[in-house]
Amino acid sequence: AQTVTQSQPEMSVQEAETVTLSCTYDTSENNYYLFWYKQPPSRQMILVIRQEAYKQQNATENRFSVNFQKAAKSFSLKISDSQLGDTAMYFCAFMKPSSNYQLIWGAGTKLIIKP
Amino acid sequence: KAGVTQTPRYLIKTRGQQVTLSCSPISGHRSVSWYQQTPGQGLQFLFEYFSETQRNKGNFPGRFSGRQFSNSRSEMNVSTLELGDSALYLCASSLQGSGGYNEQFFGPGTRLTVL
Repeated sequence: AQTVTQSQPEMSVQEAETVTLSCTYDTSENNYYLFWYKQPPSRQMILVIRQEAYKQQNATENRFSVNFQKAAKSFSLKISDSQLGDTAMYFCAFMKPSSNYQLIWGAGTKLIIKP
Repeated sequence: KAGVTQTPRYLIKTRGQQVTLSCSPISGHRSVSWYQQTPGQGLQFLFEYFSETQRNKGNFPGRFSGRQFSNSRSEMNVSTLELGDSALYLCASSLQGSGGYNEQFFGPGTRLTVL
């Protein structure tokens, strides 16, 4: 069975600092997708960034970037120049075609950005 | 384009009752997935509907059921409520045709409290 592990239940950093959230996953498949979702206190889940396993280049979206290490099955999220609005729960998630593209979620990391 | 909407946003029920939650997907989206989010179990996949048919199902008891209408709106029903059913229920919609990745867009959720 596929599993997604987020080892950091909670993290806090000062505004403008850089923070890295960790995620590891377990799968025997070669074709899959990895995601980071953000769930602010208002609860609406938002996709932050997506990585296709077949792509070697790490995905980047403005201040958000990932470090995808396929062999190590590691998928960390780096947030640069953190802002107060980045305060949220962050979930790492996994998806594969053979499971009809259903999301398997990590437990989440609560990120607090301090002013 | 309007986002995914869920009604009601909050619901309080007592043990043994049943409840129906509603989800209206983004216009044009044909797939609707339901997730249960609790502090203890995290995010868990309930089921997915596509073109009025249940396409995937998670590991939940038969008390949890759903359906999808011809306009892609979906409902989920929980019968004989238990205290452990207290959770945030999230709905997500995607274009998702016959295959391939399509981004899931989430609604704000329905907070169900069972007393």
